[in-house]
Amino acid sequence: AQKITQTQPGMFVQEKEAVTLDCTYDTSDPSYGLFWYKQPSSGEMIFLIYQGSYDQQNATEGRYSLNFQKARKSANLVISASQLGDSAMYFCAMREGDGSARQLTFGSGTQLTVLP
Amino acid sequence: KAGVTQTPRYLIKTRGQQVTLSCSPISGHRSVSWYQQTPGQGLQFLFEYFSETQRNKGNFPGRFSGRQFSNSRSEMNVSTLELGDSALYLCASSPDSLYEQYFGPGTRLTVT
Repeated sequence: AQKITQTQPGMFVQEKEAVTLDCTYDTSDPSYGLFWYKQPSSGEMIFLIYQGSYDQQNATEGRYSLNFQKARKSANLVISASQLGDSAMYFCAMREGDGSARQLTFGSGTQLTVLP
Repeated sequence: KAGVTQTPRYLIKTRGQQVTLSCSPISGHRSVSWYQQTPGQGLQFLFEYFSETQRNKGNFPGRFSGRQFSNSRSEMNVSTLELGDSALYLCASSPDSLYEQYFGPGTRLTVT
């Protein structure tokens, strides 16, 4: 079974609008972390936001927020006020366990295109 | 602080050859992880080193190996290259106690 599922291979959004990128996960471990990374065409993975399984509030970082619904096992990324520079591949990832093993499991990604 | 650096950035090798990729983590980071990214398989974890010890290993054949030096710099080696090894190899570093990994720009390996 897929541990991280991103069901949107591609998304389009108009500049200055908000967009939600979907991510669902599967784990039986009570302790886990969820991450979102951005990968521009240059290839480098850029860390965006982190949500821990025990965090009570949804994480926010500037224009990025994570809509964490634990019961539904979803961790959607919301980008507000999209900019042309947001066009990139976005990956959801999970780390299971207490953090001593730092392996990330990635989803297949969503290609976001911001239209002018 | 300087970010994660990887050398070389691009590499072309022939089937059967071996290759060594290098990664220098962010200063102070002791954990270094390696990932392979291909269009077909996506991002897959190779291995993780912490204080010169391999702490975690993904599901890759023994042709893929790595090591970490006392200054936390890491190398990964692929022996007897196959066409399917063509990929972007990403290195990521992390401090002891924080959760996020910081990635380098990657090494794009092409095997012909």
